[in-house]
Amino acid sequence: SQTIHQWPATLVQPVGSPLSLECTVEGTSNPNLYWYRQAAGRGLQLLFYSVGIGQISSEVPQNLSASRPQDRQFILSSKKLLLSDSGFYLCAWSDKRGGTDTQYFGPGTRLTVL
Amino acid sequence: GQNIDQPTEMTATEGAIVQINCTYQTSGFNGLFWYQQHAGEAPTFLSYNVLDGLEEKGRFSSFLSRSKGYSYLLLKELQMKDSASYLCAVRGRASGGSYIPTFGRGTSLIVHP
Repeated sequence: SQTIHQWPATLVQPVGSPLSLECTVEGTSNPNLYWYRQAAGRGLQLLFYSVGIGQISSEVPQNLSASRPQDRQFILSSKKLLLSDSGFYLCAWSDKRGGTDTQYFGPGTRLTVL
Repeated sequence: GQNIDQPTEMTATEGAIVQINCTYQTSGFNGLFWYQQHAGEAPTFLSYNVLDGLEEKGRFSSFLSRSKGYSYLLLKELQMKDSASYLCAVRGRASGGSYIPTFGRGTSLIVHP
């Protein structure tokens, strides 16, 4: 069966510091991968998605970036965090070979920028 | 662009039935999803509709009308553990040409005894 991991689970960072969040998927190959952010009381905002290694599409311009160095690894980064970057960051995967392309979410990282 | 509307909050009684509505506008409709999200946790997949009609899965059912841009999630025999946020997501054509889901803000369901 497939599993998706994210770490760290929680993170408190000062404004202006760098960020690196990691997501890995097991039990599948060549998945679609996604990064979402959920601010308090808000919906899920798609940040980046990737259909393959080295292929990144950005949905919202901001101070974040994403990379996919390996087939089942997706990394979210920032060089300098802003207060507005606080939120619940969720990684998701989907099987592009399946008919529904349903997304399955990791446990999330709760980021607080102070 | 895509626009999804669902009620912010609903309350219901344990054992009852509740219907959560979702209306949407999208280009290149390619499926509608419902997710359940408990507080502080990640969303979990509940149902998928791409053709008109009702999909039943245990106590949960989901309905879709593509011509009306409308879906609902029906929860029967409500239990206290059903208290959660329910997210409607519509997959449509993104600016880059791929089909990507857009999520609504979610409906917070409170089940009371």
